[in-house]
Amino acid sequence: GENVEQHPSTLSVQEGDSAVIKCTYSDSASNYFPWYKQELGKRPQLIIDIRSNVGEKKDQRIAVTLNKTAKHFSLHITETQPEDSAVYFCAASDSGSARQLTFGSGTQLTVLP
Amino acid sequence: ETGVTQSPTHLIKTRGQQVTLRCSSQSGHNTVSWYQQALGQGPQFIFQYYREEENGRGNFPPRFSGLQFPNYSSELNVNALELDDSALYLCASSENSPDTQYFGPGTRLTVL
Repeated sequence: GENVEQHPSTLSVQEGDSAVIKCTYSDSASNYFPWYKQELGKRPQLIIDIRSNVGEKKDQRIAVTLNKTAKHFSLHITETQPEDSAVYFCAASDSGSARQLTFGSGTQLTVLP
Repeated sequence: ETGVTQSPTHLIKTRGQQVTLRCSSQSGHNTVSWYQQALGQGPQFIFQYYREEENGRGNFPPRFSGLQFPNYSSELNVNALELDDSALYLCASSENSPDTQYFGPGTRLTVL
C-alpha cells in the first residue's frame, strides 16, 4: 500500500519568513495530493490540493509543487503569520474507487512574532 | 467551516464495551470516509461508504463496522473496545467517490 513520509516534524519560522514542508510517497499510482491544516482540538481543514496532471498550484500565500518522477510534493507558505501556526498534514490517494487518503505524520509549524 | 457534523463530541467507555459514533455529511455529499487519529499522528483510513455500500477498507479488524443511511449520514460501530482504540475519530464527506474530502470535528473516544 501507499506510504507517505513528511519532513520536518517541527518547524519554527519568524513572522514574515517562508515555510516549506516536504512529503514523499511510494505508490506511483497515486494521483491526488491534498494538504490539511489542523489547529489544536479542531478538525483537519483542507488548505490546498493538487492532482497529478499539474506540477504547481498557488492560492494567495500558499503553493504546492509536485514532482511525479521523484514522487515528492511540497507545501510552501510565504509571508507567514502567527495564525499559520498549526499542524500540517500531507496526504496521497490513489486512483482506486475509495480515494483512500494516506497521511504523513504531520509538521508542527510555529510562527514566532 | 464545513457542513460535516459528528456526535457525540466526547465519549468515555471501558474495555470490552461497544460504541456507536455518528456523522452527518455535508449537503449534496454522498460519500463518507472514516479515519482514526491517534494522539500526535496523522489520520488513518478505516473505511468508506458510497451510496450506502462499503467502498473500501483500511487495515482495521472486523470489530470496526459501519453503515450509511439513505440520507447519506453514517455510523461507525466498534465492538469489544480495547485501550488502543482511544483516539479521535474523524469522518469526511465528499460529493462523489473519488473526490475532495472535508472533515467533521471528530469524536474523542477514551477507553479505560
